[in-house]
Amino acid sequence: DAGITQSPRHKVTETGTPVTLRCHQTENHRYMYWYRQDPGHGLRLIHYSYGVKDTDKGEVSDGYSVSRSKTEDFLLTLESATSSQTSVYFCAIKQQGPYGYTFGSGTRLTVV
Amino acid sequence: KNQVEQSPQSLIILEGKNCTLQCNYTVSPFSNLRWYKQDTGRGPVSLTIMTFSENTKSNGRYTATLDADTKQSSLHITASQLSDSASYICVVSPSNTNAGKSTFGDGTTLTVKP
Repeated sequence: DAGITQSPRHKVTETGTPVTLRCHQTENHRYMYWYRQDPGHGLRLIHYSYGVKDTDKGEVSDGYSVSRSKTEDFLLTLESATSSQTSVYFCAIKQQGPYGYTFGSGTRLTVV
Repeated sequence: KNQVEQSPQSLIILEGKNCTLQCNYTVSPFSNLRWYKQDTGRGPVSLTIMTFSENTKSNGRYTATLDADTKQSSLHITASQLSDSASYICVVSPSNTNAGKSTFGDGTTLTVKP
């Protein structure tokens, strides 16, 4: 998607290993978000950022941490992956004001 | 608790037919409501955004309506095409926030058959 890229697109990892997903934007937007999407649950907010080094928790933040050292990058880390964290992860960016989100293409993570 | 409920959960229609998807919300105070289309394996893409004062907005064959009094929105798709097969997600944001406090519906999965 224009202006936002996620990496990797697919990843398989073992239970107990750390995993980091990367979101990169070229739009210079202040707000960045990490969501997970599971069947029957829709999109659920994990963490979000409202500026460099400014982050806050969403509704499903347990087991996840984030970092934002630069405006363009927002990292999501699973400190010790569990099978319940198998999901599709989406990053999103947003302009300040009543504007919509722009989503990345997603990262499909499988924890075995 | 802020909630967004979408109906139906899934819908199958024939190509060329019209359909209407529903979104009811309890988010308060209300700022704006957005409809997104999500193709399989892709991220959601914005279709429309409506604020409190708007009651209709169109984007090609997609027309969204908003009744802020009853807290209901609908997305009407005219002359459906096979490419309309996707999940449609309603997202509602409360006032006075630019952060991650939007509430997402679970989506309606639309299948258009030839």
